[in-house]
Amino acid sequence: EDQVTQSPEALRLQEGESSSLNCSYTVSGLRGLFWYRQDPGKGPEFLFTLYSAGEEKEKERLKATLTKKESFLHITAPKPEDSATYLCAVPKYNNAGNMLTFGGGTRLMVKP
Amino acid sequence: DVKVTQSSRYLVKRTGEKVFLECVQDMDHENMFWYRQDPGLGLRLIYFSYDVKMKEKGDIPEGYSVSREKKERFSLILESASTNQTSMYLCASSLLPSNQPQHFGDGTRLSIL
Repeated sequence: EDQVTQSPEALRLQEGESSSLNCSYTVSGLRGLFWYRQDPGKGPEFLFTLYSAGEEKEKERLKATLTKKESFLHITAPKPEDSATYLCAVPKYNNAGNMLTFGGGTRLMVKP
Repeated sequence: DVKVTQSSRYLVKRTGEKVFLECVQDMDHENMFWYRQDPGLGLRLIYFSYDVKMKEKGDIPEGYSVSREKKERFSLILESASTNQTSMYLCASSLLPSNQPQHFGDGTRLSIL
């Protein structure tokens, strides 16, 4: 059965203090890995798709990387506005549509 | 940009009522999904649809039904609302291939009294 595990569950950083969030997965045949950002009371906002080991994507202070067993979301010099819950997800195989298996998320809090 | 619009941000209903949640997407996506999100339980898939009039059960379909009469619109129906259906409901859409991301609406916070 596909599993996606995110760590840590919560992370407190000072503004400017860089860190990384982890997403480890066990799936039969990875067809992509997605990162989302979710603000309180809102739906997840799509950030990145990674398709193969070694791939990297960047957006502002965020950089996502992928290996054969895990993905990292690196946050460089974070600002308070980066505070949110970050979710990762992988597609699971089915004959119709593309259901996702989500991790439990990492709640990031960046203090000024 | 993909736009997924849910008809209500907040909704309060009474136990036993039939409740309709509506979702519209403007990107001609084949797939549409309904999730509920609860603290500590994460996102759980209720139903999804990969084509008009087609539906598939997700992980927690009990107490819910869905309708997809047009490609852009996907409705979630609570047949007889109960207090344990108080939750945040999220709609999403995606292109058909399994390696395409889902795009979410802003959610409906539903309270059943």
